[in-house]
Amino acid sequence: NSKVIQTPRYLVKGQGQKAKMRCIPEKGHPVVFWYQQNKNNEFKFLINFQNQEVLQQIDMTEKRFSAECPSNSPCSLEIQSSEAGDSALYLCASSPRDRYAEQFFGPGTRLTVL
Amino acid sequence: GDSVTQTEGLVTVTEGLPVKLNCTYQTTYLTIAFFWYVQYLNEAPQVLLKSSTDNKRTEHQGFHATLHKSSSSFHLQKSSAQLSDSALYYCALTPSNMGYKLTFGTGTSLLVDP
Repeated sequence: NSKVIQTPRYLVKGQGQKAKMRCIPEKGHPVVFWYQQNKNNEFKFLINFQNQEVLQQIDMTEKRFSAECPSNSPCSLEIQSSEAGDSALYLCASSPRDRYAEQFFGPGTRLTVL
Repeated sequence: GDSVTQTEGLVTVTEGLPVKLNCTYQTTYLTIAFFWYVQYLNEAPQVLLKSSTDNKRTEHQGFHATLHKSSSSFHLQKSSAQLSDSALYYCALTPSNMGYKLTFGTGTSLLVDP
């Protein structure tokens, strides 16, 4: 079973409010990913880190989302001003930095924006 | 960019009968890894199978898949479906670059009937 920890499991926010979720990657995994799984169960990659540095991110992430993976603290993903379309399951995954390494997912934070 | 196609949104099969879930892909990368992830209700996605070798069969938990680069496919099969196999199944690919994101297909919901 995956050892990626995500908190909170459920988050309810009003439109325009900030939403923040956290992830503790599996021990020894330097690479952390955030994905959004929408109501149609489709995955969208948001951002990934190696240690504290951003490896890749999509445009949406740059504009309203912020994320960080500080040393010795949980990683976090924050939506600055939540919109109804942000309602989704936010999945954090971690992996070793190896070629073809599989990603291990946490249970997700389900965000509902009212 | 990369893309993964899963043509069936829902596959229904009777317990004990064979099942096949289709996965095809497009990528510009020469070296790639493929995964089948399974997601049970309200649980995190987890790796079911993984492959990066052309024409080599990989097996796990009764499921098997073979990467065929000639046809850009990585179909998932099982000879005898079990009730416990009912879940969402995702095909995903990533290039060999370390720490790179996964590109997921849209998923296939497998329902095994008694």
